[in-house]
Amino acid sequence: LAKTTQPISMDSYEGQEVNITCSHNNIATNDYITWYQQFPSQGPRFIIQGYKTKVTNEVASLFIPADRKSSTLSLPRVSLSDTAVYYCLVGDWDTGFQKLVFGTGTRLLVSP
Amino acid sequence: NAGVTQTPKFRVLKTGQSMTLLCAQDMNHEYMYWYRQDPGMGLRLIHYSVGEGTTAKGEVPDGYNVSRLKKQNFLLGLESAAPSQTSVYFCASSLGTGSGETQYFGPGTRLLVL
Repeated sequence: LAKTTQPISMDSYEGQEVNITCSHNNIATNDYITWYQQFPSQGPRFIIQGYKTKVTNEVASLFIPADRKSSTLSLPRVSLSDTAVYYCLVGDWDTGFQKLVFGTGTRLLVSP
Repeated sequence: NAGVTQTPKFRVLKTGQSMTLLCAQDMNHEYMYWYRQDPGMGLRLIHYSVGEGTTAKGEVPDGYNVSRLKKQNFLLGLESAAPSQTSVYFCASSLGTGSGETQYFGPGTRLLVL
């Protein structure tokens, strides 16, 4: 099983860039790295996904080094509404079916 | 396009009572999942389905049963509720499986078992 390790919590201020690093030493060759965001009282929501190097969308950037043993989610210029829990996941296969393994995530608190 | 919806949003049960949680998706997704999330914890997979008429156990299946009679619906049943099943239940769906796929989650059902 590909397990992930990420900080339990992070604090930031509005307008700052936030980088959340996730460690996944046992990532498999075919695994993608996916980040989800969860607001209080809501289900997780897909943010970004990547396999290697860098991926960018309108919400975030994902940096993945060549060895793929870690990844960094970058949130540019965070706002109060970015306060949420962020989950880093890698593919977890069981007889060919996808089973995302959610850890406890990183609780990001953005202050004014 | 409502995505994934869950019914009910909140429910209180007494120990030993039964209930069914309904999940519906309108994205024509083949795969559907039920998770539970306890306070301060990540999500844990209860059961999942890879297509109409098929279901499989996840990480924490004990005390729950599921059915997928229609492609768009995935039901989670509690035959005899216990306080340990107090949790928030999330349903999700995906088009396919594999590391490259993403799951779409519903808003959750809060269940309190007294």
